[in-house]
Amino acid sequence: ILNVEQSPQSLHVQEGDSTNFTCSFPSSNFYALHWYRWETAKSPEALFVMTLNGDEKKKGRISATLNTKEGYSYLYIKGSQPEDSATYLCAFPHTGGFKTIFGAGTRLFVKA
Amino acid sequence: NAGVTQTPKFQVLKTGQSMTLQCAQDMNHEYMSWYRQDPGMGLRLIHYSVGAGITDQGEVPNGYNVSRSTTEDFPLRLLSAAPSQTSVYFCASSHQRQQGGDQPQHFGDGTRLSIL
Repeated sequence: ILNVEQSPQSLHVQEGDSTNFTCSFPSSNFYALHWYRWETAKSPEALFVMTLNGDEKKKGRISATLNTKEGYSYLYIKGSQPEDSATYLCAFPHTGGFKTIFGAGTRLFVKA
Repeated sequence: NAGVTQTPKFQVLKTGQSMTLQCAQDMNHEYMSWYRQDPGMGLRLIHYSVGAGITDQGEVPNGYNVSRSTTEDFPLRLLSAAPSQTSVYFCASSHQRQQGGDQPQHFGDGTRLSIL
């Protein structure tokens, strides 16, 4: 059974803190690893799609790294702001990339 | 710029009733999918489609039917609603044309469904 684990489950930080979360996924039959940001009362929005071992992606203060050999990805947020408060999901496509398993998410709360 | 549109946003059903959740996208995406979101769990794939006339089962397909007669529409049917199907349902689409999983999914706003 394929499993995608995210840790921590939730995180409370102060404005200005830098933080990071982990996504663990199966290290075999790798196609890609997706990160999504999900704000309350909205729908998930794609942040990054990572496909190569050693990939690093960046969007503003948010960045992500990928290690396909050991099956993990880190998402980093530098200088957290209240508007970064959201649930961050990682997703692992399998079965040719047509089926996707989502992690349960890391819920980030940034206090002003 | 509608993207992925789901209707209705909320619905309450009685056990045994049937209904169809609608999903439409205007981005000419080949791939469409349905997920359910339950507390403490990740989004779970119900059914997906890689193009008109082609559908396949996901992780939790029992109790649900889908069809894809056009590129734009991908309705999800609950055949005989059960309380275990109380959930938030999300439709998503992407440009995934072939093997690879490297295209991000675009999500609708969700349908909150309660089965009494």
